[in-house]
Amino acid sequence: QSALTQPASVSGSPGQSITISCTGSSSDVGGYNYVSWYQHHPGKAPKLMIYEVSNRPSGVSNRFSGSKSGNTASLTISGLQAEDEADYYCSSYTSSIQVVFGGGTKLTVL
Amino acid sequence: QVQLVESGGGVVQPGRSLRLSCAASGFTFSNYAMYWVRQAPGKGLEWVALISFDGSNTYYAESVKGRFTISRDNSKNTLYLQMNSLRAEDTAVYYCTREYSTLKGYYYYAMDVWGQGTTVTVSS
Repeated sequence: QSALTQPASVSGSPGQSITISCTGSSSDVGGYNYVSWYQHHPGKAPKLMIYEVSNRPSGVSNRFSGSKSGNTASLTISGLQAEDEADYYCSSYTSSIQVVFGGGTKLTVL
Repeated sequence: QVQLVESGGGVVQPGRSLRLSCAASGFTFSNYAMYWVRQAPGKGLEWVALISFDGSNTYYAESVKGRFTISRDNSKNTLYLQMNSLRAEDTAVYYCTREYSTLKGYYYYAMDVWGQGTTVTVSS
């Protein structure tokens, strides 16, 4: 199972909005609504930000939102803040009864 | 508080074995499916294995199938990963994680609690 495709890096200024894409296939992202997003500050444990494409766990800011169209899922962060600077990973369930992660996107807040 | 603490990592020669453990606390361990996820140096996250709440079902990434075994002891609130025939490419930080769903047998395939990780280095 190949990793999902994410841009290596994105950047934005404080207050702006950014979107990170996550492209897979009909066997994973496009075929199921089990897409999740994680925020990972190096040296710390990853944090679940979005599950089932667009749902936020309790405690996650509503500045984070998720969506999906076809084989591509997206994470949008609005009102960028300095603490949002981190690595972001998407993941999806696959038809092989497995889980696949994206390669990760480094978000830089300018 | 809800916590996962991994242990058992270390330096091991190629072809040898290692067993990782993950001690869970602060929640009813036997109600949750569990995962192992790893991150190689400078690389992204990679899913390794999944086990159902009662241990009756297990699933593996192709890269470890036949070499790794995930198991659990609900009486000890502990998750395990037995790693055999280790390769250099298995070098990584290994995270123990919890399935977000609280419904036994139902999965969101999302991981809401993560340990701090234990480092495995496979090198001669």
